[in-house]
Amino acid sequence: SSELTQDPAVSVALGQTVRITCQGDSLRSYYASWYQQKPGQAPLLVIYGKNNRPSGIPDRFSGSSSGNTASLTITGAQAEDEADYYCNSRDSSGNHLVFGGGTKLTVL
Amino acid sequence: QVQLQQWGAGLLKPSETLSLTCAVYGESFSGYYWSWIRQPPGKGLEWIGEINHSGITNYTPSLKSRVTIAVDTSKSQFSLKLSSVTAADTAVYYCARGRYGIADYYYYYMDVWGKGTTVTVSS
Repeated sequence: SSELTQDPAVSVALGQTVRITCQGDSLRSYYASWYQQKPGQAPLLVIYGKNNRPSGIPDRFSGSSSGNTASLTITGAQAEDEADYYCNSRDSSGNHLVFGGGTKLTVL
Repeated sequence: QVQLQQWGAGLLKPSETLSLTCAVYGESFSGYYWSWIRQPPGKGLEWIGEINHSGITNYTPSLKSRVTIAVDTSKSQFSLKLSSVTAADTAVYYCARGRYGIADYYYYYMDVWGKGTTVTVSS
């Protein structure tokens, strides 16, 4: 399968913890990468590999994986974390990239 | 610091060919995969295809018949051509740098992105 499935929308209270998930067969072979996108901006890589953060990404962002599911966790969500989040992976063949449909995170 | 600067025509008529270029500054061109991704208005991200410095390409199956991605290593540039455009091709188009890694599994990520080019197809 070449699809990655995300919940369309998730909300979290300010300062609380939220998990955004991504499911797909290819995630049994590849770690997902996660991107944050705010309105009018290009996507920004926040998590890649087993649980790696690019320079400048706060440590409240973390990643994990189990079976066919990858998760992005934000521990102590801040107002500035309100954004769309996309997962991404190679497909099972390795020849193509696939994105999840995106999750809109609302911080209440 | 690596930067991607992209440009191309922003308004096309149906049946024309979309043409975009992405220039890489501040980093070697080799050792990476260079992708094009698009985002229709109000929708999610869609991967179009990629190329490496040797010219090896991969395309998403749904667009493969209309897409050509090429590389000019002498200029550290890569380009996208999408033929026979329709209104459904209206989107913001991004270029991005991709790289592989391995831990327990392989992983792939895109760590540098262009700012995006808005392309509108309208008669």
